[in-house]
Amino acid sequence: DAGVTQSPTHLIKTRGQQVTLRCSPISGHKSVSWYQQVLGQGPQFIFQYYEKEERGRGNFPDRFSARQFPNYSSELNVNALLLGDSALYLCASSLVSTNEQFFGPGTRLTVL
Amino acid sequence: QQQVKQSPQSLIVQKGGIPIINCAYENTAFDYFPWYQQFPGKGPALLIAIRPDVSEKKEGRFTISFNKSAKQFSLHIMDSQPGDSATYFCAASGDRGSTLGRLYFGRGTQLTVWP
Repeated sequence: DAGVTQSPTHLIKTRGQQVTLRCSPISGHKSVSWYQQVLGQGPQFIFQYYEKEERGRGNFPDRFSARQFPNYSSELNVNALLLGDSALYLCASSLVSTNEQFFGPGTRLTVL
Repeated sequence: QQQVKQSPQSLIVQKGGIPIINCAYENTAFDYFPWYQQFPGKGPALLIAIRPDVSEKKEGRFTISFNKSAKQFSLHIMDSQPGDSATYFCAASGDRGSTLGRLYFGRGTQLTVWP
């Protein structure tokens, strides 16, 4: 079975630009969560979505937004990029009834 | 504020040794405690997880020990191999409020197993 997939793999942007990251969950999983992992740190929660609705939001500015589509895939959008947004962005999917979250390979974002 | 505290930051063992990684938490709303393994350039992979109703869980060479009263849990890797060299993260999640479905991660432990 296919795991969580994310695109693109790598991305280079300049300060002030906007970026959209994409995630497809494991088949049958209805919940998608986004995490930011800065080099040398553990992942930090950004958003969780279920049935196209936001279920939780971490301590991130309004420049970060996300949405979930009817097929349960998701996009993370970051506006007005800052150098500090450089990180590995991880998507995780889970069944609604379990805490088990399975991560994708991530998108490495570099902001110059 | 780090909700899950993990130690040590790095660990070096010989092949066949038993590395032990420890984590502690304060939030009693947590009821799910997974461990993830991450290789460079990859996403975290779920290794093993435990809930507070048991004190120990084993899956292959990986064992979680859980002490509910002390709010601590640890990962033991039996017969460690060079291929186990990776970064290990503990995490916690709950079933209500701000903990619902949200994983709080420790800072990670970089494990090196020498052949």
